[in-house]
Amino acid sequence: GENVEQHPSTLSVQEGDSAVIKCTYSDSASNYFPWYKQELGKGPQLIIDIRSNVGEKKDQRIAVTLNKTAKHFSLHITETQPEDSAVYFCAARRGKLQFGAGTQVVVTP
Amino acid sequence: DAGVIQSPRHEVTEMGQEVTLRCKPISGHNSLFWYRQTMMRGLELLIYFNNNVPIDDSGMPEDRFSAKMPNASFSTLKIQPSEPRDSAVYFCASSLTVLGRTSGRSEQYFGPGTRLTVT
Repeated sequence: GENVEQHPSTLSVQEGDSAVIKCTYSDSASNYFPWYKQELGKGPQLIIDIRSNVGEKKDQRIAVTLNKTAKHFSLHITETQPEDSAVYFCAARRGKLQFGAGTQVVVTP
Repeated sequence: DAGVIQSPRHEVTEMGQEVTLRCKPISGHNSLFWYRQTMMRGLELLIYFNNNVPIDDSGMPEDRFSAKMPNASFSTLKIQPSEPRDSAVYFCASSLTVLGRTSGRSEQYFGPGTRLTVT
């Protein structure tokens, strides 16, 4: 089955700086790659996603890139703000979603 | 839209007791997913339903776990008997699936979760 690895497990950034989280997947047939943000005490919330026929997608301060050949995808958050502090999960789907282990992002003022 | 509704939000029970978690998916969604989240294992898919029919229950840990979806607006996850290692946050999610493929962005909407503690 699909295996998704996510790095780093924790990420501390200064407010205003950029944050990058990277994921790799194993199943070349996976065709959908969402990113979820989970705040304390809440369920994961989709923030951006990308399909395998697209290399990059951007939504305001958030962007995702996909390299199908290398089987990795990344989340980029620019101009980070304290409210960006949360756990971020990547996932890959071929049939069902397989989640990465998560990245704890802390944005310090 | 009320979103995915789960109850209870917190459950504390003693080992050996039966636990029932409840979920109401978003109206109009026809796929429902039960996940378990722990520090050690992260987010794990336990089972998912499409049009009220269980499609994949390969993630259900053992026979103590069972899930039902009697209608499009309600699902339960039951643990009987419960054990301390079942302590986790259990999430329900729903999405809209068309003709066997999740439509649009394939977005799964998650509920707030049920934090289960088995002592």
